[in-house]
Amino acid sequence: EAAVTQSPRNKVTVTGGNVTLSCRQTNSHNYMYWYRQDTGHGLRLIHYSYGAGNLQIGDVPDGYKATRTTQEDFFLLLELASPSQTSLYFCASSGGAQDTQYFGPGTRLLVL
Amino acid sequence: AQSVDQPDAHVTLSEGASLELRCSYSYSAAPYLFWYVQYPGQSLQFLLKYITGDTVVKGTKGFEAEFRKSNSSFNLKKSPAHWSDSAKYFCALEGQGTGSKLSFGKGAKLTVSP
Repeated sequence: EAAVTQSPRNKVTVTGGNVTLSCRQTNSHNYMYWYRQDTGHGLRLIHYSYGAGNLQIGDVPDGYKATRTTQEDFFLLLELASPSQTSLYFCASSGGAQDTQYFGPGTRLLVL
Repeated sequence: AQSVDQPDAHVTLSEGASLELRCSYSYSAAPYLFWYVQYPGQSLQFLLKYITGDTVVKGTKGFEAEFRKSNSSFNLKKSPAHWSDSAKYFCALEGQGTGSKLSFGKGAKLTVSP
């Protein structure tokens, strides 16, 4: 069974704060993704990566940075958090094109 | 550009009835299509996918979906429905050559009453 873990599971910060969300997968997958889920929008892709050191821009990248340090680890950075970034964030991994994506448990972020 | 539409945000039915969740897509080439399910308070789980070949695909938990190129649809079906099927269902599209980038619909919340 594919394994994707995220930390923290819940996070509260203030406007202008600095937040790092972490994701680790033990599936030996090359592809990793960061999504946000908001009511009325479904899941929207923020950034994704093909492998260590690679970064691709998703559909809603503004205000987010990401870094893929190893095959296993993918980080999402909010350097100046805003209330509009309050959301449920999911990380996922997959083996590549046409492959199933495996999702982590999610991180709920509240920006006050 | 690629997009997915799930026109029914909320679907309610009784246990034992047949369920069908609609999904339509817009994409200029042959799409790869997926259905995922999200149970309350949980993450997303894969149900099934269409890549090529047989247009009726079977997935986990007794679900199946039919790809219809003629009307750009990929509807999810199950009969009979069970109360444990109550969840949010997402249809997603991967375009060719997009590096496994998925575009999700907004989801359909299914409530099955016992």
